[in-house]
Amino acid sequence: GAGVSQSPRYKVAKRGQDVALRCDPISGHVSLFWYQQALGQGPEFLTYFQNEAQLDKSGLPSDRFFAERPEGSVSTLKIQRTQQEDSAVYLCASSIQTGVGNQPQHFGDGTRLSIL
Amino acid sequence: EDKVVQSPLSLVVHEGDTVTLNCSYEVTNFRSLLWYKQEKKAPTFLFMLTSSGIEKKSGRLSSILDKKELFSILNITATQTGDSAIYLCAVLIQGAQKLVFGQGTRLTINP
Repeated sequence: GAGVSQSPRYKVAKRGQDVALRCDPISGHVSLFWYQQALGQGPEFLTYFQNEAQLDKSGLPSDRFFAERPEGSVSTLKIQRTQQEDSAVYLCASSIQTGVGNQPQHFGDGTRLSIL
Repeated sequence: EDKVVQSPLSLVVHEGDTVTLNCSYEVTNFRSLLWYKQEKKAPTFLFMLTSSGIEKKSGRLSSILDKKELFSILNITATQTGDSAIYLCAVLIQGAQKLVFGQGTRLTINP
């Protein structure tokens, strides 16, 4: 598609359940990023892929968070044993950038996750 | 710790006014600074600034970067109600590829 596509748009889960959030980047974009945006805050970096390689996962808040991009295209962010503090909008972004040159990251609409 | 600070956090003006949004940063390894507009959905890209003193312009919006004083401004002239949004400033960290965002400025344009 023309832009970054994320699904589902909204997800409600009970505390303790596992969730999986999907991101379809812009076709041909090598780099893929996940961010977490709490209400009233700017997005915070979670993790970064270049093709299928996860090059930076320094922003993942705990070992309950896991991301993968097995074929270098679609990515999934999984959160195990969800907690209330996981409630946020999860944004995915992609860029052509491969580590050289400056290209902006383009964002999807996000998945709004609510943990009850 | 890398930090990006935006001011003001909130701004309410009348249609037709000119606004200036501020962004200052302290980061270990600066590569470029980006501005995004966020309405109810995805942040949409506005500008990327890498060099000091060169103004980027798109219609009524313009932005400039000062790498010596470590700040950027985003100007919007002749504001319209459709400019109401959260404006996010972010710094791209060299090597790390990640964006470090400020808290955003919520701009409201009243008719």
